[in-house]
Amino acid sequence: QVQLKESGPGLVQPSQTLSLTCTVSGFSLTSYNVHWVRQPTGKGLEWMGVIWTGGSTDYNSALKSRLSISRDTSKSQVFLKMNSLQTEDIATYYCAREGGDAFMDAWGQGASVTVSS
Amino acid sequence: DVQMTQSPSYLAASPGESVSISCKASKSINTYLAWYQEKPGKTNKLLIYSGSTLQSGTPSRFSGSGSGTDFTLTIRSLEPEDFAVYYCQQHNEYPLTFGSGTKLEIK
Repeated sequence: QVQLKESGPGLVQPSQTLSLTCTVSGFSLTSYNVHWVRQPTGKGLEWMGVIWTGGSTDYNSALKSRLSISRDTSKSQVFLKMNSLQTEDIATYYCAREGGDAFMDAWGQGASVTVSS
Repeated sequence: DVQMTQSPSYLAASPGESVSISCKASKSINTYLAWYQEKPGKTNKLLIYSGSTLQSGTPSRFSGSGSGTDFTLTIRSLEPEDFAVYYCQQHNEYPLTFGSGTKLEIK
């Protein structure tokens, strides 16, 4: 059974770094790409970036300077780090498996992140 | 970036009715459009990809059509479990972009 689960602190102070972990099961990170997508409350979905099966990454240019995605294949985990957080970054953050051709065939339940001092 | 314009934002219908949701791209995305369903307490569900290909497990009352810039999701004979939020996503080029969503409510 394919599952993805996001975890991490729900509260980050302004200007600090967000660190989230996506733990996957039912598939291998060396066989499927994993994407990060976020959704500010009441707004639409924003694609953040992807880690490819080979371990390389691509990012949304709007976030590229602040964003880093990495993984530990032995632990089936994908990591998201984004620095200099501001209130505009308040959102639910999702990791999702790519089913092929850049669409997502499995999603995590999402991790809610608030930015506040 | 490809802008995706989804309409309507809200749609009210009764079980048994048929509805259509539109998604327009700011430039041609060939047939590379996906549709997702969002329901409270559940993970987002892929319904359709590549414009009209049903994901395994998607009921046949769902259909997708379109190419280029104009796409439509049609749900025939609505079931109670179909009332949800629907999003389109272009998967033709990066950055991937999504529509703003359509909330389908029970009339």
